[in-house]
Parts: sequence; C-alpha cells; structure tokens
Amino acid sequence: DVKVTQSSRYLVKRTGEKVFLECVQDMDHENMFWYRQDPGLGLRLIYFSYDVKMKEKGDIPEGYSVSREKKERFSLILESASTNQTSMYLCASSLEFVAGGIGNQPQHFGDGTRLSIL
Amino acid sequence: AQSVTQLGSHVSVSEGALVLLRCNYSSSVPPYLFWYVQYPNQGLQLLLKYTSAATLVKGINGFEAEFKKSETSFHLTKPSAHMSDAAEYFCAVSRRGGRRALTFGSGTRLQVQP
Repeated sequence: DVKVTQSSRYLVKRTGEKVFLECVQDMDHENMFWYRQDPGLGLRLIYFSYDVKMKEKGDIPEGYSVSREKKERFSLILESASTNQTSMYLCASSLEFVAGGIGNQPQHFGDGTRLSIL
Repeated sequence: AQSVTQLGSHVSVSEGALVLLRCNYSSSVPPYLFWYVQYPNQGLQLLLKYTSAATLVKGINGFEAEFKKSETSFHLTKPSAHMSDAAEYFCAVSRRGGRRALTFGSGTRLQVQP
C-alpha cells in the first residue's frame, strides 16, 4: 500500500514565522501535491511537482513556496505565516503514467496537518 | 478549464436507505473523474474513478457511480447506507493539459441516522 506521511498532525505557529510542512511518500511516485482544505471550499491546489526540482503553481500559490530536492519528499513553506493561512494542509502523490493515459491515476493522500497561525 | 459542482453540502439518510450524492462537471475535453471519501481526522481515500472505459463504475464499500455525458454528471450511489458511511465525500476531475492535478468539488457531508 502507498504510504504518504505528513510530519505533523497539528502545528501551532505565530504570525510572521517561517513554517515548514514536510511530506514523504514511499512508492516512488513522480507527482506530489499540496492542497489546503477549508470548510465549504473543498480542496484547493497550492503547488505541485512532477519531478525532482520541478514545480508548478496551483490555484492559490501566494504566500507559499515548495521544495523537492528528493523524489520522495515534498516540502511546503510558508515564508511569513499569516492568520489567513490557518487551515488543514493535505499532501498527495500519484504515478505519472500508466497504460490508459496521463492523468488517470488516483492521488494518495496523507492524513493532513492542521495548522493554526496565532 | 475543468470544474466540479457538488449539489448539497449536507445530505442525511436513514440507515438502510439509498445514498445519492450529486456531482456535475464541466470540461472542454473528455474528463477523468474521481470520488474520494474523507473520514474524520484522516486524509482522502479513493472510492472509485472513471477513465473512459465502462460508464458504470463500481468502487469500494458498495459504492458506484455512473458517467452520463449528456447530463455532464457523475453521481455517487449506494443502495443501502450503513452507519460507517458517515463521512465527507469529494468529487474531482483531472485537469488534462495540466500536470495531473485535480480540481475538487466543495464536498458533501453524509450523515446516516439510525
């Protein structure tokens, strides 16, 4: 079974701090994703990566950056945390391609990090 | 651009009753569609996916969904609800042309009454 592990389940930080959220997957997946989940808004894509050192902006990248130095690890960075970044953050990974086409592979999710910015 | 609309943020059914969770999509190309379930304090788990093979897709835990191109719908059903089905359900469409990211609906919370 695919395992996606997020380093913290709960995190409390202060406004202005630099915050690191870590995600590790153990199935050699090419693609990794960061989402934030807010009530009534579903999941919104922040950034994703399709290869080591490669990244693309999602729908809401402002105030965030990412790092992918190794294939199994994808980090989300809040450069200067603000209270409106209080949210649940979910990491996911997926295979790039299997017979049948690109984009048909399910994403496998970690259990999430509930981040509170005070 | 692809988008997904889930009708009804909360659905309540009695144990043993039919479950119907609605999802409509908009896509300029034939989509890949997914249903995920999220139990409290957990990440999302794949229930089923449509990838342009059979239009009726069977998933885990007795759930199934039917792709109807004419209605641009991919509704999720289960004939008989169980208490353990209480969770939040998300419909998602794959962004073709982008790099495998998903666009999610806003979610439907299913309550099952005894």
